[in-house]
Amino acid sequence: NAGVMQNPRHLVRRRGQEARLRCSPVKGHSHVYWYRQLPEEGLKFMVYLQKENIIDESGMPKERFSAEFPKEGPSILRIQQVVRGDSAAYFCASSPQAGASNYGYTFGSGTRLTVV
Amino acid sequence: DQQVKQNSPSLSVQEGRISILNCDYTNSMFDYFLWYKKYPAEGPTFLISISSIKDKNEDGRFTVFLNKSAKHLSLHIVPSQPGDSAVYFCAAPEAGTYKYIFGTGTRLKVLA
Repeated sequence: NAGVMQNPRHLVRRRGQEARLRCSPVKGHSHVYWYRQLPEEGLKFMVYLQKENIIDESGMPKERFSAEFPKEGPSILRIQQVVRGDSAAYFCASSPQAGASNYGYTFGSGTRLTVV
Repeated sequence: DQQVKQNSPSLSVQEGRISILNCDYTNSMFDYFLWYKKYPAEGPTFLISISSIKDKNEDGRFTVFLNKSAKHLSLHIVPSQPGDSAVYFCAAPEAGTYKYIFGTGTRLKVLA
């Protein structure tokens, strides 16, 4: 499968627990982006990472959220002490080069986080 | 400030007819625009783009029109097919960043 792989597809967490969302980019892509879609809204940028570096995290909430893209393995979006407002679909995308292009990114199928 | 707006949350069209999805923007500095298509429980997939120096781009049944003076673009699908039923997002790249700004989407339903 040459696409962006996200897991889990669905994740249910109780308030106060931690959520870990994983993303494996398209093979050969070294640029990863995380977006969040709240109900009835468009996708909102969260963070852009290259291998071992956070390039732009301007869309990340200041607290409880972190992201990494290690040298080996998938990118991880981590949400600590989840609250109901974190319930959303989280999409990962990848690209072979930095930045936006007129062909867009390749998106994964998303992780739907539900906080109960 | 919502720089990319899709004011119609939903649209129903009969199979075989034309579907027209609209998008307005406020930033005249956008270099290009994209349309993404999203099925339920899937990620968005790139559909078609248009450069800001053009006013039309066509790919099969899909045509995007750009009206720079009105800051408006539209996606035309003709003829519409039931498989086109999905949510369509328009998006634009924020200048000098790595981000796309997405509209809120229009849910298209093509009736057989």
